[in-house]
Parts: sequence; C-alpha cells; structure tokens
Amino acid sequence: SQQGEEDPQALSIQEGENATMNCSYKTSINNLQWYRQNSGRGLVHLILIRSNEREKHSGRLRVTLDTSKKSSSLLITASRAADTASYFCAPTHTGGFKTIFGAGTRLFVKA
Amino acid sequence: EAGVAQSPRYKIIEKRQSVAFWCNPISGHATLYWYQQILGQGPKLLIQFQNNGVVDDSQLPKDRFSAERLKGVDSTLKIQPAKLEDSAVYLCASSPRQGGYGYTFGSGTRLTVV
Repeated sequence: SQQGEEDPQALSIQEGENATMNCSYKTSINNLQWYRQNSGRGLVHLILIRSNEREKHSGRLRVTLDTSKKSSSLLITASRAADTASYFCAPTHTGGFKTIFGAGTRLFVKA
Repeated sequence: EAGVAQSPRYKIIEKRQSVAFWCNPISGHATLYWYQQILGQGPKLLIQFQNNGVVDDSQLPKDRFSAERLKGVDSTLKIQPAKLEDSAVYLCASSPRQGGYGYTFGSGTRLTVV
C-alpha cells in the first residue's frame, strides 16, 4: 500500500502531556507531511520532512523520519485542548509524486 | 495570500441527480488536487492536475465522476448520477508544484446524497 498508516488510531491525554503519533509506509518516498484536521474543517499543513532529513521542529511539533524503517513520528509537546483534532501523515512517493493519506490518529486533549 | 476557495459549502441531493463542485486554487499554484473524504476516513485522492493536464486520475470513478481544469486555474468536479455512497466531503487542494510540497486545502464541500 502507498498510503501512510497511523498508529494509534485514537489517543486521549491530559492537557500538558506530550502526544506521540506514528506513521508507517511501504514504498520509497520523496518527503512526508503531517496534517491536522479539526472537526468539520479542512486540513492544515503542519510540517514537511524530506527523505534526506531525520528530524525537524516547528514550535511544539517535532517530526522524525527513519527511511530504513519506513516510519515517521509526530510529537506534540505540552499539549493543549486546542490540539484536539485528527492528525494525518501523507507520504509522497517517488516516481509518481502521489501523496496518499492514511486514516489518521484522533487525538483528544482533556482540559 | 488568499486561500483555496470552494463552493458550495454544503449540498444535499437525491440519488441519481447530478452535482458540481467548484474550486479556485491559490494564484500561481500549478498543481490542483481533488480528494474525497468519507466520514471517519482519511482523504482519498480522486484526481491530480498539473496546470490544465491530468497527472493522475486512477482513483476517479470515471463512469460517474468527471473533472476539468480550464486554463490551468479553476477546476470543477462533477458527479452524474450520484449514489448514496458518494456522500462525503470533497476537498480541493493546491500546491506550487508536484512532489507533495505542502498542500493548501480548501474548506471542502459536504455532499449528502439521500
């Protein structure tokens, strides 16, 4: 399958805790992106990590990429209630430049 | 910078009717995508345009779905005739070029087929 597969499917944490979501994929990629989707809204691009990068930061977000294991993780530090959303990984595969979304991880941050 | 505009926001139609969705991407973005998102699932790519040419439409049910991008700018997605299983949110996204470089998504059109 070309799509990313997120794990866990759902995650519930307390405000202030860290949230870690994982993504696995099966074919070679150019890059991998993470998106957030709040209930009933469009997807918002969070971060892009290229295949030759191992780690990237953006504010409270930290993304890692391990191309040997074909996996990525998204860490949200000091979570807030406003982080409650679905998070999707989207690998872009070499050759066809297709970006395929997984089913997402539903994060619920309790205040 | 203006975002990706989509209309309508909501549409309710009866099965076997036809419906059309419109998308205006960010100015200058060469690549445009239509995704279908069924409730509880991730977005599924229907069609990808590079300027006004189709790059990938392998997941588009061509017996009922059609899409065009005139002059490499606006795009329309049409369903004719609609089925109950077409109920979903239809998302349009654009990016400066191919290769997955940070899509900007519109708010989507929520279609309900009854």
